[in-house]
Amino acid sequence: DSGVTQTPKHLITATGQRVTLRCSPRSGDLSVYWYQQSLDQGLQFLIQYYNGEERAKGNILERFSAQQFPDLHSELNLSSLELGDSALYFCASSGDGLEAFFGQGTRLTVV
Amino acid sequence: AQSVTQLGSHVSVSEGALVLLRCNYSSSVPPYLFWYVQYPNQGLQLLLKYTSAATLVKGINGFEAEFKKSETSFHLTKPSAHMSDAAEYFCAVSDRFGNEKLTFGTGTRLTIIP
Repeated sequence: DSGVTQTPKHLITATGQRVTLRCSPRSGDLSVYWYQQSLDQGLQFLIQYYNGEERAKGNILERFSAQQFPDLHSELNLSSLELGDSALYFCASSGDGLEAFFGQGTRLTVV
Repeated sequence: AQSVTQLGSHVSVSEGALVLLRCNYSSSVPPYLFWYVQYPNQGLQLLLKYTSAATLVKGINGFEAEFKKSETSFHLTKPSAHMSDAAEYFCAVSDRFGNEKLTFGTGTRLTIIP
């Protein structure tokens, strides 16, 4: 158990819909990262938050957004969903910026 | 920009044989390097990391990796494979100058032959 909790574990939704993925980091970790894992793109960094502020941005689509709340949990919002957004979405947290602890992921299926 | 290349998307070894998974990196600044393992339907678990201390890094489950700057490599090895080592392995790079995000390789699926 990494200490990082992601909910839900599975999500099935229709094209055009909006979903929210939730991540609770390890206790005390200020950094939260979101990654997308898909068969064609592999593991890609989406975005990082540090203590509530956006710190780094990767290949995140404009239809996607994230935020980190005062209690340090984070949410990834995906809107206007397309079939190609089907993927495993991972959250990771870190206290020292060196070692990232990954959650079990949320498997999103867009139908 | 940073990148890693993992040679061999699939590697099969016999139980008890040497495991060697290859990773080469590209980075314009001194890198931090990592190996992660992913079991089916699981998240990623850190096996080991190189952060500029010793070039030979020992990790969990008997794995180790050696950082070779001249070869820009960080290959993962284990002397004797176990059935439980069957999984997907990812090499990743970040750097020590504030860029904490991980850039992953495409992964190597390790199969252990009984």
